[in-house]
Amino acid sequence: EDQVTQSPEALRLQEGESSSLNCSYTVSGLRGLFWYRQDPGKGPEFLFTLYSAGEEKEKERLKATLTKKESFLHITAPKPEDSATYLCAVRTDAGGTSYGKLTFGQGTILTVHP
Amino acid sequence: EAQVTQNPRYLITVTGKKLTVTCSQNMNHEYMSWYRQDPGLGLRQIYYSMNVEVTDKGDVPEGYKVSRKEKRNFPLILESPSPNQTSLYFCASSLNVGGEQFFGPGTRLTVL
Repeated sequence: EDQVTQSPEALRLQEGESSSLNCSYTVSGLRGLFWYRQDPGKGPEFLFTLYSAGEEKEKERLKATLTKKESFLHITAPKPEDSATYLCAVRTDAGGTSYGKLTFGQGTILTVHP
Repeated sequence: EAQVTQNPRYLITVTGKKLTVTCSQNMNHEYMSWYRQDPGLGLRQIYYSMNVEVTDKGDVPEGYKVSRKEKRNFPLILESPSPNQTSLYFCASSLNVGGEQFFGPGTRLTVL
């Protein structure tokens, strides 16, 4: 069974204090790893897709990286508006049409204090 | 405006009373999916659809039905709701199965 674990569950940072969120996965045949941001009371919003180990993507203060077992979301010099829940999800190749299945981690709640 | 819409946004119902939550997207997306979000359990996929008339089970399909008769619509049907289906439900769509998903605003369902 595919498993996705995110850590830490919650992270409090001071504005400007860089850090990383972790997403580790145990899956058969990774077809893509996704990062989303979710603000309270809203649906998740897409950030990145990573497909293979060694791949990196950046967007403003966020940088996502991928290894064979985990992904990191690095946040450089965060601002209060970066406060949100960050979710990772994996899509795997388990045969048939099951590659349409998406498994999410439980998320990391990030709070950035001014 | 490109968007995914869900209706209703809030619903309180009683055990056993059939209900349908509608989901519609205006982006001509092939892939659509339903999720439920519960505290401590995160987002869990209920059903997904790769295209019209093609649907498949996610991780928690029990107690739910879906249909995909048109590309833009993907309703979620609870034939006999129970209290354990009280949750926040999200519909999402993407251009194809590997693409970024656009999520709707959510439907908060309470089953008494």
